[in-house]
Amino acid sequence: GAVVSQHPSWVICKSGTSVKIECRSLDFQATTMFWYRQFPKQSLMLMATSNEGSKATYEQGVEKDKFLINHASLTLSTLTVTSAHPEDSSFYICSARVAGSPGSYNSPLHFGNGTRLTVT
Amino acid sequence: DAKTTQPTSMDCAEGRAANLPCNHSTISGNEYVYWYRQIHSQGPQYIIHGLKNNETNEMASLIITEDRKSSTLILPHATLRDTAVYYCIVRGDLTGNQFYFGTGTSLTVIP
Repeated sequence: GAVVSQHPSWVICKSGTSVKIECRSLDFQATTMFWYRQFPKQSLMLMATSNEGSKATYEQGVEKDKFLINHASLTLSTLTVTSAHPEDSSFYICSARVAGSPGSYNSPLHFGNGTRLTVT
Repeated sequence: DAKTTQPTSMDCAEGRAANLPCNHSTISGNEYVYWYRQIHSQGPQYIIHGLKNNETNEMASLIITEDRKSSTLILPHATLRDTAVYYCIVRGDLTGNQFYFGTGTSLTVIP
């Protein structure tokens, strides 16, 4: 159980275009999802916290107008990289936690398998 | 802030136990310790978590010191497929909702 699916697994786009990445919790509901970015040989960096039905919370230094997050349902969050540039090329990973059950706040996050974005 | 310190890299012989340490000296009373691993170009995989008691599951054991300032993840019989970067994360309800990753330990299992 607790499977998080990301789509697409990889994408190549031209500079200036926008790319949407989907994150779905397949067998559970998630009121909160998290988006991370990982550059080669570096650790995961938290970009933003996505809350169902409300605005996302962005980490310091992450441009909210560039990385648009929509969490329209309890099983889907999307990250749109707008006007992508080569420096946005990275590995984007989403995660989610099972919501609602007692003690769920301390339950572990479950991660998707990531999306490799290459901007040419 | 990651709030944890781990060795950058470790080697382990195949079939032997891999013991991965983590220092979390500033941990507070309600913060849990979580362990994840990441195999190249994949998302992190949950391994185990605990508060103060030692924990064991089908993947690993987690030993937390009595003062909770450090912990050790034990892979009892390492295989080549256990080669990965292992992350120790501390998080609790008073420190926010987020999981912050440190630099992790790159474990190489040697045949």
